[in-house]
Amino acid sequence: DVKVTQSSRYLVKRTGEKVFLECVQDMDHENMFWYRQDPGLGLRLIYFSYDVKMKEKGDIPEGYSVSREKKERFSLILESASTNQTSMYLCASSLTSLNTVGYTFGSGTRLTVV
Amino acid sequence: KQEVTQIPAALSVPEGENLVLNCSFTDSAIYNLQWFRQDPGKGLTSLLLIQSSQREQTSGRLNASLDKSSGRSTLYIAASQPGDSATYLCAVRASNYQLIWGAGTKLIIKP
Repeated sequence: DVKVTQSSRYLVKRTGEKVFLECVQDMDHENMFWYRQDPGLGLRLIYFSYDVKMKEKGDIPEGYSVSREKKERFSLILESASTNQTSMYLCASSLTSLNTVGYTFGSGTRLTVV
Repeated sequence: KQEVTQIPAALSVPEGENLVLNCSFTDSAIYNLQWFRQDPGKGLTSLLLIQSSQREQTSGRLNASLDKSSGRSTLYIAASQPGDSATYLCAVRASNYQLIWGAGTKLIIKP
């Protein structure tokens, strides 16, 4: 089975800190995604990447950046954390061309910015 | 624009009952539809994936159907158990890179 591993389950950071959320997948998937999930707002796409060093903005990229230096790893960066970035962050991966394989999600990182 | 709706938003049933969760979408041009389960405070677990050419998929007590022409999918859970309590999300793959999400159905199975 594909595994998507997020490095931290819980994080507490201070306002203004630079925060790195790491995600690693082990099945050679081309696509990787970062979502945030908030009560009443559902899942919202922050950024995705369809190849190494490639990235595309999702629906809510403001305040975030990403890095994909290796195929298996996709990092989400909060350049200067703010309290409104307190949320559950979910990483996912998928294959590009096949509709026979769905998305696989990590366990999530609950980030609290104080 | 593709929209995905899940009804009901919440459902509470006694243990042992069979139940159906609904997911509807507005555009039949989809790659596939995927059902997920989410436990409180945790990530998403994929339950079933139905390709656009398929009508249904089964896994244990779960059966998901897809009717593209009417824009509907159902998730049938047989002989429900308290461990089935969770939020169930459906998502339509609208392109290589895009999932369109429903808001979820929160299911509570009462012992």
